[in-house]
Amino acid sequence: TQLLEQSPQFLSIQEGENLTVYCNSSSVFSSLQWYRQEPGEGPVLLVTVVTGGEVKKLKRLTFQFGDARKDSSLHITAAQPGDTGLYLCAGLTTSGTYKYIFGTGTRLKVLA
Amino acid sequence: KAGVTQTPRYLIKTRGQQVTLSCSPISGHRSVSWYQQTPGQGLQFLFEYFSETQRNKGNFPGRFSGRQFSNSRSEMNVSTLELGDSALYLCASSLRSGVGGELFFGEGSRLTVL
Repeated sequence: TQLLEQSPQFLSIQEGENLTVYCNSSSVFSSLQWYRQEPGEGPVLLVTVVTGGEVKKLKRLTFQFGDARKDSSLHITAAQPGDTGLYLCAGLTTSGTYKYIFGTGTRLKVLA
Repeated sequence: KAGVTQTPRYLIKTRGQQVTLSCSPISGHRSVSWYQQTPGQGLQFLFEYFSETQRNKGNFPGRFSGRQFSNSRSEMNVSTLELGDSALYLCASSLRSGVGGELFFGEGSRLTVL
């Protein structure tokens, strides 16, 4: 069974602080996506990384795909209350058939 | 354009009953996937439909079933409900199947089983 472990599970920080969320697996993924989900809504895609070692930046968010395509990280600089939400990584597996495996989630709360 | 629409948004059932949830994908999207979200297990993949055919299935018992219609709308059914089926059921649509594109999620149907 392919699993994606995210750490930390919960994070409560003050506005302006930096943070990093990790997404780890023993399996190789064709690509990896990060989603953010806010209460009462479905997850919304933030980014897709495809190549091992790839780094993508989205304003204050920096995403990195591990060289071996087994892990990823999300770094937020100067967090704001609007960053509050559940962050989910999702790896695309192509062993057998295509499907997304979602991580366990990181619940972030940024306090003003 | 209109997003993914799921109905009903909330429902309460009792053990042993069955439930049908509906999902209307974004216009032009032919792939619909279903996920179960619970605090303990996170998002678990149920199944994916593309052009009325089930393309992929997760590790759920046969009580969970689905179908897709010619207009790409999809339904999922859970029979003989159990307490553990209480969850948020999310539907996601995408343009194509099997190419790792963006999943567009609906707001979900929150099922409570008493």
